[in-house]
Amino acid sequence: AQKITQTQPGMFVQEKEAVTLDCTYDTSDQSYGLFWYKQPSSGEMIFLIYQGSYDEQNATEGRYSLNFQKARKSANLVISASQLGDSAMYFCAITSSGTYKYIFGTGTRLKVLA
Amino acid sequence: DAGVTQSPTHLIKTRGQQVTLRCSPKSGHDTVSWYQQALGQGPQFIFQYYEEEERQRGNFPDRFSGHQFPNYSSELNVNALLLGDSALYLCASSLALTNTGELFFGEGSRLTVL
Repeated sequence: AQKITQTQPGMFVQEKEAVTLDCTYDTSDQSYGLFWYKQPSSGEMIFLIYQGSYDEQNATEGRYSLNFQKARKSANLVISASQLGDSAMYFCAITSSGTYKYIFGTGTRLKVLA
Repeated sequence: DAGVTQSPTHLIKTRGQQVTLRCSPKSGHDTVSWYQQALGQGPQFIFQYYEEEERQRGNFPDRFSGHQFPNYSSELNVNALLLGDSALYLCASSLALTNTGELFFGEGSRLTVL
């Protein structure tokens, strides 16, 4: 069975600073994908970044980067130059070949301070 | 380009009643997944529909059923509502044949069971 663990229920960061949100995963599959989603108060889950298990480079999407450490089974999200609009819930998720479901963690609530 | 749309956005039901939630996928998408998100939790996979068939199901009782129409839109039906069914129900669409399998979510339908 796959599992995602997010150990930070809440995080604060000063505007314009960088922040790292932690995510560890557990899977016995060799081929899998890791995702980060942002959920503002509106409820919609917004896709941020994807990392494939065979990707050798860490994924980057604008201010978002994924620190992928396969041996440690971690996939931390790094947000650079935080903005007030980054305040939201952030969820890490995993899926793998052979399944269509995504397993989500319990999320981290990020608050960006002015 | 319309994203994923869900209706209704909010609804209140009493125990034992039945509810139908609706979802229109993002333009061009052929696959619809449904997730239940209880307060303070990450989304939990209910099932996925592709080509009008349920392709995979999560650990939800038979009271939860669905349907996908030829235009790829989908419905989620929940019978004999329980207090524990109160949650945000998220619909996500995707393309069956994609490398990353990125999900696009709607804003959800918030169900309250009294």
